[in-house]
Amino acid sequence: AQSVTQLGSHVSVSEGALVLLRCNYSSSVPPYLFWYVQYPNQGLQLLLKYTTGATLVKGINGFEAEFKKSETSFHLTKPSAHMSDAAEYFCAVSDLGAGGTSYGKLTFGQGTILTVHP
Amino acid sequence: KAGVTQTPRYLIKTRGQQVTLSCSPISGHRSVSWYQQTPGQGLQFLFEYFSETQRNKGNFPGRFSGRQFSNSRSEMNVSTLELGDSALYLCASSLGGLIELGDTQYFGPGTRLTVL
Repeated sequence: AQSVTQLGSHVSVSEGALVLLRCNYSSSVPPYLFWYVQYPNQGLQLLLKYTTGATLVKGINGFEAEFKKSETSFHLTKPSAHMSDAAEYFCAVSDLGAGGTSYGKLTFGQGTILTVHP
Repeated sequence: KAGVTQTPRYLIKTRGQQVTLSCSPISGHRSVSWYQQTPGQGLQFLFEYFSETQRNKGNFPGRFSGRQFSNSRSEMNVSTLELGDSALYLCASSLGGLIELGDTQYFGPGTRLTVL
């Protein structure tokens, strides 16, 4: 089964600093990877996704992530943090079900809480 | 286009009771997936429905069940509630294709269930 590990449950940066949130995956098949953000008392919002093609994926709000197969990683970055980026971030991988399909099933990492200091 | 809506937003129940949560997907979406989010276990997949059929399910006991109606709205039911069922229950809707072919899940705000 596929799995995701997010390194660091809490990350703190200063406003304007680089944001780097780490995600490593384990998958026996080509992975399909996602980053979601969750603001307090809200659901998950898709930031970006990698399915096939270009390994550098650009998402919303200035975030991007690079798929590195050799390192089994999909780290999320943003060049300059903004106060509004403070939230919890989840990396996820599509997970094949019993029938060999991924219908509706994402496996999530434990999440990383990003704090942005003025 | 309206997003995914979930009702109610908050629920308080006692042990042994049952509860039904509702999810209305984005217009045109035919797939609804349900997830449980807790501080200890994180986000865990419950099940997915498409055209009123369950296509995929996670590792939850039979007390957790769901269904989907012809208009794609979905409900999930938890019977004989336990303290450990306290969680945020999220539903997500999508067009209904394979994730690896680009189908994307859009999440609702969740229902916060507290079991006393």
